[in-house]
Amino acid sequence: QVQLQESGPGLVKPSETLSLTCTVSGGSINSFYWSWFRQPPGKRLEWIGHVYYSGNTKSNPSLKSRVTISVDTSKNQFSLKLSSVTAADTAIYYCARHSSGERTTFDHWGQGTLVTVSS
Amino acid sequence: SYELTQAPSVSVSPGQTASVTCSGDKLEDRYVWWYQLKPGQSPVVVIYEDKKRPSGIPERLSGSNSGNTATLTISGTQAVDEADYYCQAWDSSTVIFGGGTKLTVL
Repeated sequence: QVQLQESGPGLVKPSETLSLTCTVSGGSINSFYWSWFRQPPGKRLEWIGHVYYSGNTKSNPSLKSRVTISVDTSKNQFSLKLSSVTAADTAIYYCARHSSGERTTFDHWGQGTLVTVSS
Repeated sequence: SYELTQAPSVSVSPGQTASVTCSGDKLEDRYVWWYQLKPGQSPVVVIYEDKKRPSGIPERLSGSNSGNTATLTISGTQAVDEADYYCQAWDSSTVIFGGGTKLTVL
């Protein structure tokens, strides 16, 4: 059974860069797309962007200028970097798997990790 | 940009039928997915492409999409169904979600 696990600092200072990693176990990262989502307190889920195992990426236009998503197939991991964070970036961050770049199902998810932006 | 709208909350008695709706302009022209979120757990897809049910999802959960409204129907609601439910669609290769509906089983 494929499992995803988010990891990274739970507290980030304003203006700094948020960095998270999603480790995939029980299956290969190859041949799939991998997305990041977040849910700020009291707000709806938001798609941040995805990376294909080949390294191609796509991001939500609302965050595109601050988002970097990368993949490390040797470690079966993919990562998110969100720069210049503010309190509005405080959220539970999730990673998920999908089989195509659009009109597809996010069939496996991590449990989520809370990241708080505060000084 | 395209928007999906959900009622913030729905309450249902055990054994009764719950309907969670998601509205959007000409929503029937798009496929809709439904995700179940419980605190501390991984989100789970319960309906994909309007009405398809993934393996392992009980038959009491069903989906439909017509006109401007997609509906997740839970028949014979059980306590285990208490969760937040989010509808999701695609718009110009971007993922969009509804605001979520908290289903309470009283």
